[in-house]
Formats: sequence, structure tokens, C-alpha cells
Amino acid sequence: QKEVEQDPGPLSVPEGAIVSLNCTYSNSAFQYFMWYRQYSRKGPELLMYTYSSGNKEDGRFTAQVDKSSKYISLFIRDSQPSDSATYLCAMRVAAGNKLTFGGGTRVLVKP
Amino acid sequence: DGGITQSPKYLFRKEGQNVTLSCEQNLNHDAMYWYRQDPGQGLRLIYYSQIVNDFQKGDIAEGYSVSREKKESFPLTVTSAQKNPTAFYLCASSIPGGGYTFGSGTRLTVV
Repeated sequence: QKEVEQDPGPLSVPEGAIVSLNCTYSNSAFQYFMWYRQYSRKGPELLMYTYSSGNKEDGRFTAQVDKSSKYISLFIRDSQPSDSATYLCAMRVAAGNKLTFGGGTRVLVKP
Repeated sequence: DGGITQSPKYLFRKEGQNVTLSCEQNLNHDAMYWYRQDPGQGLRLIYYSQIVNDFQKGDIAEGYSVSREKKESFPLTVTSAQKNPTAFYLCASSIPGGGYTFGSGTRLTVV
């Protein structure tokens, strides 16, 4: 079983809908949680960075962490066709720099 | 502008040949990483380096080698021992405790 699980999708939504993405993990030592967006044939770019449990909002993006359930989520409000990409979750323990990535969820926002 | 530069963008390797992928960063980051990305498999860590002249194997180091002679540079050699090298290779860097900054990737194909 992988340490971080993520549904590969594809997740198809109409423009303007809310996109809901999530990851589950098994290592209770993970303390820092990230979401990356990756366009086709490009490197991932960091979207959200959160520590421990709670919510964080940045524009149309909201990240949630529920450490008791070992579950993290990313919500994209008012989705646009330009949000069509693969979204990767990543996490790490308190000490060290190594990230563990989920497999990514492909999202398609249709005009 | 600061960032990570990977070259070449596309690379073709013949059977039995070693090839080297370049990764250069001007972000003054201490840590650098190499990942391999295959369809449906997410990012898998090949090698990482926390400081100059030091590096550690990741999860799939067999058939690969690296060097870290300068802070800015972390080249990856794909040797003939790597039996299935066709993939998208991503280089990243980070500060301690920070998120990763990724390059644009190199797509390697065996011909």
C-alpha cells in the first residue's frame, strides 16, 4: 500500500463549479502538507502549503487538513478552463526536506 | 529571475548508452532532488542532495548516478544499467523546510 493515496481521475467539471480533490495518507508523522499543480509536459508548481490541521485559503483555493482522519483536501471555487491540470498532493515529516507525493489527480474543466 | 533550468527538454538514448541530464538553479537553495515521473505513477525519488559534495539514494536509484560539486548544479546520469529509462525527469530544489521549486523537466526516450 502506498503511503499517500490519490484518486487518479480524470475529474471532469463544468466551468464555474467547485473542484474537490483529496488525498489520504498512512504515516501519522506527516506534519507539512502541500498541493502542486502540473500542466502537461511542465514541472509542478506549488499552490498551497499548510502545517498540521486546519484550513488555509488563498484566492479561489482552500486547503484543508484533518490529521485525525489522515485526510487532506483542496477545493477550487469558480473553476476555470485554465485550472485543467494534474493536481499532486505532497507531505513531509517535521524533520528533513523529503516530500512524499501522491500519484496526482487529473482535472478537466469544460467551458 | 530565479529558477531551475533543466536541459535538454527532449533527449533520445540508444541502447547501452549513458546520458546526462543537466539541472542548474540560481535560487541559492541547499537541497536538490531528482524525480522520475511515469504515467499513472506520480513522482518517484531517484536521488537527493542536502549540501554540496553529499547525496543520498532515493527510492529508485538503481541505474542512475549523480554528482554535486557545486551548489547550483546537480546533474543526473542515466546509465546503461537502467533498463527502462523512458520517462519524464524532474529536478527540484528547496530551502530547509520549504516547498519545492521544480524545473520544466526532460523527456527521455530510448530509441
